[in-house]
Amino acid sequence: IAGITQAPTSQILAAGRRMTLRCTQDMRHNAMYWYRQDLGLGLRLIHYSNTAGTTGKGEVPDGYSVSRANTDDFPLTLASAVPSQTSVYFCASSLTGATTDTQYFGPGTRLTVL
Amino acid sequence: AQSVTQLDSQVPVFEEAPVELRCNYSSSVSVYLFWYVQYPNQGLQLLLKYLSGSTLVKGINGFEAEFNKSQTSFHLRKPSVHISDTAEYFCAVSGTEQGAQKLVFGQGTRLTINP
Repeated sequence: IAGITQAPTSQILAAGRRMTLRCTQDMRHNAMYWYRQDLGLGLRLIHYSNTAGTTGKGEVPDGYSVSRANTDDFPLTLASAVPSQTSVYFCASSLTGATTDTQYFGPGTRLTVL
Repeated sequence: AQSVTQLDSQVPVFEEAPVELRCNYSSSVSVYLFWYVQYPNQGLQLLLKYLSGSTLVKGINGFEAEFNKSQTSFHLRKPSVHISDTAEYFCAVSGTEQGAQKLVFGQGTRLTINP
């Protein structure tokens, strides 16, 4: 079934540890996104990539990094996790990154930083 | 800058009753509006979107929304809800920043259906 997969489903992490959240899509979409969802704040964009080899910063990029080595994968790395990064993280993709595109979301990763 | 305000954080309704979830937006450029639904412990999925043309947009699961430019609103409606509609609903406005699509989401409205 075509779509987006994320791993892990959930994770408890000690503060200061490094963590990579994985995201893979099989729809051959050019654009990919990482969001965090916090209660009462909706979804906020962390980083995005319009095409393989390019990335950009979203609304809340501090403490996170991304890479886009190929079309399918868009990992999100927390170099040194802090408790304020406790959140649910969603990866999404869209066909071209145009403003009229529909974004398709993965099932999410629930991250707790202690 | 674009922004979205969802006027109700929670909306409880009885099964088979009508419902309206309110959304107001702010945008200085062309307006493209979306409603997404998030069922418990799942990702978001598209309900409907307005790009241009008819201001009444029909989506999946019997939902519809009306774009009102003068009131800068994009309210979501369903004439008769079911238990399975229990979910969180997000309104979003789409724009461009540094050549990439930027979806700005509202805070979400939690719809609870009571039997």
